[in-house]
Amino acid sequence: GEEVAQTPKHLVRGEGQKAKLYCAPIKGHSYVFWYQQVLKNEFKFLISFQNENVFDETGMPKERFSAKCLPNSPCSLEIQATKLEDSAVYFCASSPTSGTPSSYEQYFGPGTRLTVT
Amino acid sequence: DAKTTQPPSMDCAEGRAANLPCNHSTISGNEYVYWYRQIHSQGPQYIIHGLKNNETNEMASLIITEDRKSSTLILPHATLRDTAVYYCIVTFNFGNEKLTFGTGTRLTIIP
Repeated sequence: GEEVAQTPKHLVRGEGQKAKLYCAPIKGHSYVFWYQQVLKNEFKFLISFQNENVFDETGMPKERFSAKCLPNSPCSLEIQATKLEDSAVYFCASSPTSGTPSSYEQYFGPGTRLTVT
Repeated sequence: DAKTTQPPSMDCAEGRAANLPCNHSTISGNEYVYWYRQIHSQGPQYIIHGLKNNETNEMASLIITEDRKSSTLILPHATLRDTAVYYCIVTFNFGNEKLTFGTGTRLTIIP
């Protein structure tokens, strides 16, 4: 498709429960990114993939967070044992690139709002 | 990636040009300047990018100073739908680099 799709739109979990978010990147895009927006303006990069391989995971919390991008499946971001501080909007983005020096923008999905109670 | 500085908020009258400044004094020679915006709580939307020349597209114009230490995003005829948070991002862009968002400028278009 021509848009990044994210499901669900909203997710409510009790503290300690698992949360799983999904992202379908635009067809043909090689890179997928996950960002977390906790406060209204502050974005935090979590992880990126090149196809199904982890490209950059420098922003990923070492515990409780994991992510995958498997062939022919939506990408996923999973949070084990959610905490109140995980409440945020999680955005997925994809980018069409072969890695050559050029200028490719990232296309963002509508986000998943996770509320941990 | 180079750090950027933007004013926290600006107002602009509907129909007028909105000029949003960004300082990026530590930008390196092959880093690009990108602008994105976030309308309400939607996903960020790409607007425009440039390296050293001024750029224009159907949404906006980007003016980059000769020393590349600052830039201005221009929305030529602002409408109410342009009310959003605007982010100036400097990045070594091969398309696979993470974006480092600052706090952006909250632009409010006044009717």
